Amino acid sequence: AQSVTQLGSHVSVSEGALVLLRCNYSSSVPPYLFWYVQYPNQGLQLLLKYTSAATLVKGINGFEAEFKKSETSFHLTKPSAHMSDAAEYFCAVSGKSNFGNEKLTFGTGTRLTIIP
Amino acid sequence: DAGITQSPRHKVTETGTPVTLRCHQTENHRYMYWYRQDPGHGLRLIHYSYGVKDTDKGEVSDGYSVSRSKTEDFLLTLESATSSQTSVYFCAISESWGGKNIQYFGAGTRLSVL
Repeated sequence: AQSVTQLGSHVSVSEGALVLLRCNYSSSVPPYLFWYVQYPNQGLQLLLKYTSAATLVKGINGFEAEFKKSETSFHLTKPSAHMSDAAEYFCAVSGKSNFGNEKLTFGTGTRLTIIP
Repeated sequence: DAGITQSPRHKVTETGTPVTLRCHQTENHRYMYWYRQDPGHGLRLIHYSYGVKDTDKGEVSDGYSVSRSKTEDFLLTLESATSSQTSVYFCAISESWGGKNIQYFGAGTRLSVL
């Protein structure tokens, strides 16, 4: 079974400051991990994915995440926040369903607010 | 948007009435999913489909049924809507990438049950 914990349901940072959104996972098998972003009144958009290649993964909009097996973490970072980064962010881990396809287990989300 | 269209985008209904939400995809994906999104819960899987007429339950399937009579359409039905089913519903498809499936989401349907 897989699970994801996102620490902090709300995070506020100043424009230009570092963004750090935390995600810890639990998985009985080597995990595939994802970050999705949801802008207001929109669906979820894939931000980046870790699929057992490089541990530092780069995504869209300047975001990146580092897979740390020893810490079971996959934290999302961006060096300099922009007003357009205000959104809700979801971490997810994949696992197998009964029929072999991937099921995603989501964290509860972190709402990022950017302070001008 | 991976060619996913959800309809309707918004719906208000009364307790006890049946409701059907539609997910339509244009790219012949085999796997389709229905999730609900609620504050403090993230997204939770309701049902998914792995082919025409092939479906399985997710973690919050009680009170919901699904049908997939053709590849492009995956329908979610609330037989008798309850206020606890007020939520935002998302459809997703998955694409194969490097041997793994990546899920892509529709824009969502906001359902209010009064």
